[in-house]
Amino acid sequence: GDKVKQSPSALSLQEGTNSALRCNFSIAATTVQWFLQNPRGSLINLFYLVPGTKENGRLKSTFNSKESYSTLHIRDAQLEDSGTYFCAAEDGNMGYKLTFGTGTSLLVDP
Amino acid sequence: GALVYQYPRRTICKSGTSMRMECQAVGFQATSVAWYRQSPQKTFELIALSTVNSAIKYEQNFTQEKFPISHPNLSFSSMTVLNAYLEDRGLYLCGAPDRANTEVFFGKGTRLTVV
Repeated sequence: GDKVKQSPSALSLQEGTNSALRCNFSIAATTVQWFLQNPRGSLINLFYLVPGTKENGRLKSTFNSKESYSTLHIRDAQLEDSGTYFCAAEDGNMGYKLTFGTGTSLLVDP
Repeated sequence: GALVYQYPRRTICKSGTSMRMECQAVGFQATSVAWYRQSPQKTFELIALSTVNSAIKYEQNFTQEKFPISHPNLSFSSMTVLNAYLEDRGLYLCGAPDRANTEVFFGKGTRLTVV
């Protein structure tokens, strides 16, 4: 099965609303990264997390290693937040290696 | 963050031919470089992890015979897709961790189309 399960797979939000994306891990995740893939395919680094929480503007992310999940909260969604969000976990048992989730396709409507 | 450049951004090759893509780390030392592929409508699969002065580790379903990688120094890596077919099309990304921790920064990718 999927080592990193990401949900939802697709999401449509109205501008100004809030939402949360989630990743559940079946590997021994030691660190987590969240990326936004823009329409041209580039991966933009959003967060790098050891267990704990980080916040950057309208985005906030938490990594709970004991319960094997991570969340990405989007507050006051804007049109430019549209794109595909990926989480990726470093597997502590495999040395340096990122295992990606299946992505969440987000569309923010005016 | 660290900068990673990839070249070319896009390439088209005929079925059965080969193409080489390059990855350059700027402003930091890329001791390790990971090559990933994102096939159409899919997530990112790790092809191989290359560490300078160590053997390259290929993931299951990927081989050195098909995806030979060179990592001659701390700023450059290249990978060739040999004998490319339709199933090899996709976006190929190289990523390298920042030396301070293991945060990985990716290049903008090489998009391979096979015709």
